[in-house]
Amino acid sequence: QQPVQSPQAVILREGEDAVINCSSSKALYSVHWYRQKHGEAPVFLMILLKGGEQKGHEKISASFNEKKQQSSLYLTASQLSYSGTYFCGTEGSNDYKLSFGAGTTVTVRA
Amino acid sequence: AAGVIQSPRHLIKEKRETATLKCYPIPRHDTVYWYQQGPGQDPQFLISFYEKMQSDKGSIPDRFSAQQFSDYHSELNMSSLELGDSALYFCASSASRASGSYEQYFGPGTRLTVT
Repeated sequence: QQPVQSPQAVILREGEDAVINCSSSKALYSVHWYRQKHGEAPVFLMILLKGGEQKGHEKISASFNEKKQQSSLYLTASQLSYSGTYFCGTEGSNDYKLSFGAGTTVTVRA
Repeated sequence: AAGVIQSPRHLIKEKRETATLKCYPIPRHDTVYWYQQGPGQDPQFLISFYEKMQSDKGSIPDRFSAQQFSDYHSELNMSSLELGDSALYFCASSASRASGSYEQYFGPGTRLTVT
């Protein structure tokens, strides 16, 4: 089952923050976050395993609430390079695949 | 660092023809995944292999088949191509869950155009 991502799109000015949410109706083993630029491959950002840990990479961090089957990606002090489509990919305990959300298009303007 | 290699990068075929896409995973990765991405859409899972055995199957048409070889590379075979098969096909690879680090890394993709 495909996870639900929100918002569909967000426009930011450099330095602004944003939150992207991802929710699933099924029990999850892990949540993966990717960023994809037009015509390119999805680039791995981070993975969160069940346990509710929060991870960070520079000014991009994420959390995973396994009780609610929800994950959030936090973009802090956005940079122009953050523009792209962000996908969450979810994986159940018995899965060997990712089910991707529909994506959130982030546009960062100077 | 070595990345996932896919070939060819671009492929143009006519309806009813066949196509073979190849994927070479990152060294020491034993799991390979295939995804199909249409314009403006999210990647759709097709099939995955772990240690040369099919590990999961998604919305892969019966016209498509895939396998993973002893050197862990994988091939996606597509027959009786239809216009709707035109898409970007990504291969991704990962280490096994037992390794504790199994994030999927995507290759650059093969753009298939069916005319």
